[in-house]
Amino acid sequence: TQLLEQSPQFLSIQEGENLTVYCNSSSVFSSLQWYRQEPGEGPVLLVTVVTGGEVKKLKRLTFQFGDARKDSSLHITAAQPGDTGLYLCAGGPSGTYKYIFGTGTRLKVLA
Amino acid sequence: IAGITQAPTSQILAAGRRMTLRCTQDMRHNAMYWYRQDLGLGLRLIHYSNTAGTTGKGEVPDGYSVSRANTDDFPLTLASAVPSQTSVYFCASSDVWDRPYNEQFFGPGTRLTVL
Repeated sequence: TQLLEQSPQFLSIQEGENLTVYCNSSSVFSSLQWYRQEPGEGPVLLVTVVTGGEVKKLKRLTFQFGDARKDSSLHITAAQPGDTGLYLCAGGPSGTYKYIFGTGTRLKVLA
Repeated sequence: IAGITQAPTSQILAAGRRMTLRCTQDMRHNAMYWYRQDLGLGLRLIHYSNTAGTTGKGEVPDGYSVSRANTDDFPLTLASAVPSQTSVYFCASSDVWDRPYNEQFFGPGTRLTVL
């Protein structure tokens, strides 16, 4: 079974701080997605990265796909309370089109 | 635009009872999915359908069945519920299945408790 492990599992920071969330696997993925989920709602796609080493920016969020396509990171600059939520990575295993979701990182940004 | 609707929002069910979770999408997406979300385990794929009339098993299919009679509806049935099926269930859809990457759109979820 292919696994995607996220770290940290929980993170509580003050508004204005920077943070990085990691998504790691021993398997190679054809693509890697990041979703954000708010309480009582389903996940919403933030970004998809498909090339090893690819970096994408979405306002204060920076996403990177590892060179070997086995890992990814999400960096948030100057976190705001609106960034609070559950962040999920999802990998598309090579050769299939089914996505495997990571264990999630629950972020709380305090005002 | 509704996107994906799920019903019921929540349900408490006695063990052994049969239950169908409903999912309807209005985006005319070909592919649909059912996931369960448990603390510490993330989202796990139960069943999927890449087009109307076809279904497939995901990572944790035991105890669940699905059908896809048309494009819009993808119900999930628990034939005889057990406490380990207590979870939050999410239905999702994507416009295509056979791409290296696709965006999945999720419903609001159904919180199911089996006693």
